[in-house]
Amino acid sequence: DQQVKQNSPSLSVQEGRISILNCDYTNSMFDYFLWYKKYPAEGPTFLISISSIKDKNEDGRFTVFLNKSAKHLSLHIVPSQPGDSAVYFCAATNPFLTQGGSEKLVFGKGTKLTVNP
Amino acid sequence: EAGVTQFPSHSVIEKGQTVTLRCDPISGHDNLYWYRRVMGKEIKFLLHFVKESKQDESGMPNNRFLAERTGGTYSTLKVQPAELEDSGVYFCASSRLQETQYFGPGTRLLVL
Repeated sequence: DQQVKQNSPSLSVQEGRISILNCDYTNSMFDYFLWYKKYPAEGPTFLISISSIKDKNEDGRFTVFLNKSAKHLSLHIVPSQPGDSAVYFCAATNPFLTQGGSEKLVFGKGTKLTVNP
Repeated sequence: EAGVTQFPSHSVIEKGQTVTLRCDPISGHDNLYWYRRVMGKEIKFLLHFVKESKQDESGMPNNRFLAERTGGTYSTLKVQPAELEDSGVYFCASSRLQETQYFGPGTRLLVL
């Protein structure tokens, strides 16, 4: 059973517009959430994160919103640029849930974002 | 600062053969993680080292997989004997304690 779900396999937006990527989770004990970006033939690159004690975190063009009651988070990219085209993975963690306190990440399947010039 | 490196970048082997993947973490990172992504699926956790000790190996699929981290530096992941379902991309990640995980480029394993 998937604990982190990204229900949109792909998203296409125009350059300059907003990209909104969504992620849902089922385990209410997750307390830290991350977004990673992945280009083909590369490993995931950390983008932005948010703790469960916050509902918003912003870093430049990237903002992550967390709605704990809905078990939902989203990543907003404004304005979108062609270089943002990549696969975006949502991930969650809580070391108190795991064997030995491991901070292992639980990933969604990813959303492929295409930003058209 | 050099990033996480993985070797080889690609490996094609036949069912029943043995393959060993290597990961060199970022210098000073005590945490080392192995993950795997089977085609079309999510990236899944395999195991976690803190220095040379296995902190969590709950994600290891079966006893055909053996991971080591001698001396708390680089790590190896051996698959013996390899099966068709072991095909996928194996990622290594490293971090300082309670900090962001940085991923390597992955090793693409194809078992024929």
